Amino acid sequence: DGGITQSPKYLFRKEGQNVTLSCEQNLNHDAMYWYRQDPGQGLRLIYYSQIVNDFQKGDIAEGYSVSREKKESFPLTVTSAQKNPTAFYLCASSVRDRVSESDTQYFGPGTRLTVL
Amino acid sequence: KNEVEQSPQNLTAQEGEFITINCSYSVGISALHWLQQHPGGGIVSLFMLSSGKKKHGRLIATINIQEKHSSLHITASHPRDSAVYICAVRGVTQGGSEKLVFGKGTKLTVNP
Repeated sequence: DGGITQSPKYLFRKEGQNVTLSCEQNLNHDAMYWYRQDPGQGLRLIYYSQIVNDFQKGDIAEGYSVSREKKESFPLTVTSAQKNPTAFYLCASSVRDRVSESDTQYFGPGTRLTVL
Repeated sequence: KNEVEQSPQNLTAQEGEFITINCSYSVGISALHWLQQHPGGGIVSLFMLSSGKKKHGRLIATINIQEKHSSLHITASHPRDSAVYICAVRGVTQGGSEKLVFGKGTKLTVNP
């Protein structure tokens, strides 16, 4: 089945440790995204990548890093510089609709990160 | 002021009721998306529309571009419709690229 996988679903880390969240897609989509979701807030864009070996900062990139060495994979590292890393992290990929010129985004199941 | 405002924030209904969730936006858009987030966290795209109305099963989405307003309707609601419904429109990142701007979501609970 085609889709997006994120692992693990729940992740616990001690304060000060870097942690990497996995995101893999087999939809052959060029664009991939990382979002953060906090209670009572809309999804906020951390990083996005429109093509392999290229990525751009979103609205809240500080304290995060990404890589895009393969089309299928877009891992997110939450560094110790992120001041409030406990959140729900969602990965997405997209394909462009030629009629509306807008993207339909397909989301992974998410990873809930708790920093103790 | 948020670029995308949803109302209500929370909605409780009895099974069978007709549900309406509203979304107003302040940015110019090419398309508006309605998404459904289940209690486990997974998000599914329900509709993408740029004009008029779309229908899928018991779900209907409408958009009025001039008034910058969209509504999501659920007919004959069922407890399995309980979820958070999110409106999103296309905006621009600080770097000038396009991105989706999300509303905070409407939490719907349908009681049997």
